[in-house]
Amino acid sequence: QKEVEQNSGPLSVPEGAIASLNCTYSDRGSQSFFWYRQYSGKSPELIMFIYSNGDKEDGRFTAQLNKASQYVSLLIRDSQPSDSATYLCAVIYSGAGSYQLTFGKGTKLSVIP
Amino acid sequence: GAGVSQSPRYKVAKRGQDVALRCDPISGHVSLFWYQQALGQGPEFLTYFQNEAQLDKSGLPSDRFFAERPEGSVSTLKIQRTQQEDSAVYLCASSGDRANEQFFGPGTRLTVL
Repeated sequence: QKEVEQNSGPLSVPEGAIASLNCTYSDRGSQSFFWYRQYSGKSPELIMFIYSNGDKEDGRFTAQLNKASQYVSLLIRDSQPSDSATYLCAVIYSGAGSYQLTFGKGTKLSVIP
Repeated sequence: GAGVSQSPRYKVAKRGQDVALRCDPISGHVSLFWYQQALGQGPEFLTYFQNEAQLDKSGLPSDRFFAERPEGSVSTLKIQRTQQEDSAVYLCASSGDRANEQFFGPGTRLTVL
């Protein structure tokens, strides 16, 4: 059973702080890793993807991947109230011939003004 | 350009009724995916098309669920003899050259009474 685990939260951080969101996955065959943001009542929005070990930065967002530890994280710098949402970690497993995303349950982030 | 569109946005069905949910992917996107999202959960994969070919239907929960994409563009997810446990948001996603990077539509919220 391929699993993606996230702390459901809620994670509360003050405005301007760094928010750190974590995700672990069970299958070492995982190839691609994604972070989606989902506002309440809305659909998931792709914000970051990472395929190789290390860090990938895009604006205020940094994704970190450690395949040896089967661990993915998302850092949000200078958090804003508009970042308050549920963040979904998702992976694609190699070898299946399909690009299906396997999602975690999501971490709810609240940025307090 | 236009994103993924889905219709209807909301659907209420009586138990036992058949429903059909439509997805219009981003123009030119080859890959199309259907996911089911229950309240408080991450999306779960249902099925995947590449053009008109259904390459993976491993996530369809029962033979009451059927999906098609006859001309490689618009897709329809059909649920026969709906049950209360089918109540969820049904999300469609499409991707282009980079099949990994999937973009979601607004979803159809199905409520079965």
